[in-house]
Amino acid sequence: GQQVMQIPQYQHVQEGEDFTTYCNSSTTLSNIQWYKQRPGGHPVFLIQLVKSGEVKKQKRLTFQFGEAKKNSSLHITATQTTDVGTYFCAGPRGGGSNYKLTFGKGTLLTVNP
Amino acid sequence: NAGVTQTPKFRVLKTGQSMTLLCAQDMNHEYMYWYRQDPGMGLRLIHYSVGEGTTAKGEVPDGYNVSRLKKQNFLLGLESAAPSQTSVYFCASNGGGSAGEQYFGPGTRLTVT
Repeated sequence: GQQVMQIPQYQHVQEGEDFTTYCNSSTTLSNIQWYKQRPGGHPVFLIQLVKSGEVKKQKRLTFQFGEAKKNSSLHITATQTTDVGTYFCAGPRGGGSNYKLTFGKGTLLTVNP
Repeated sequence: NAGVTQTPKFRVLKTGQSMTLLCAQDMNHEYMYWYRQDPGMGLRLIHYSVGEGTTAKGEVPDGYNVSRLKKQNFLLGLESAAPSQTSVYFCASNGGGSAGEQYFGPGTRLTVT
């Protein structure tokens, strides 16, 4: 079945350093979503990418969708302690429909102040 | 708007006991989901519903049942709890269409001893 893999599983950085997490799908995706889960919290939607090669920015966060629509990345510039949490990517399960998602296992980011 | 709410927040069960987790959303969303989250496993879909009166199996449905008698509510039942069902359970909803983002509830932490 469809698999969505994320690397790294964990990343520890000093405050001010950059951070990147990568997401790879075993199948071509119609779109990809990113979520953030703070420690003890619930996943919160960040963004959805739809177009091949798409790049979107949210302040210090940059999201990319690969040309082949099978991979994506999230890059955080100059991390802050508020960036701590687990970042998940998710793609539509079994095709184009968005109503079922396959989530990656997430990347846990910790930031040393 | 409260968004997605879940009750209870915490529960401890003995093996063989039963319980029902309640999820409610006030966004008039068609789609609702139950996930479980275990360390290092990401979010795994248990069951989902595409509308009132409908339910379908997800990735890990065994040992769980669900019902969607009203559009705003989605219930998850454990008939005979097992220690393997110790987990954090998240409910989510989705309004459908191209947007696709899922809105998560705060979670229920269940321990089965």
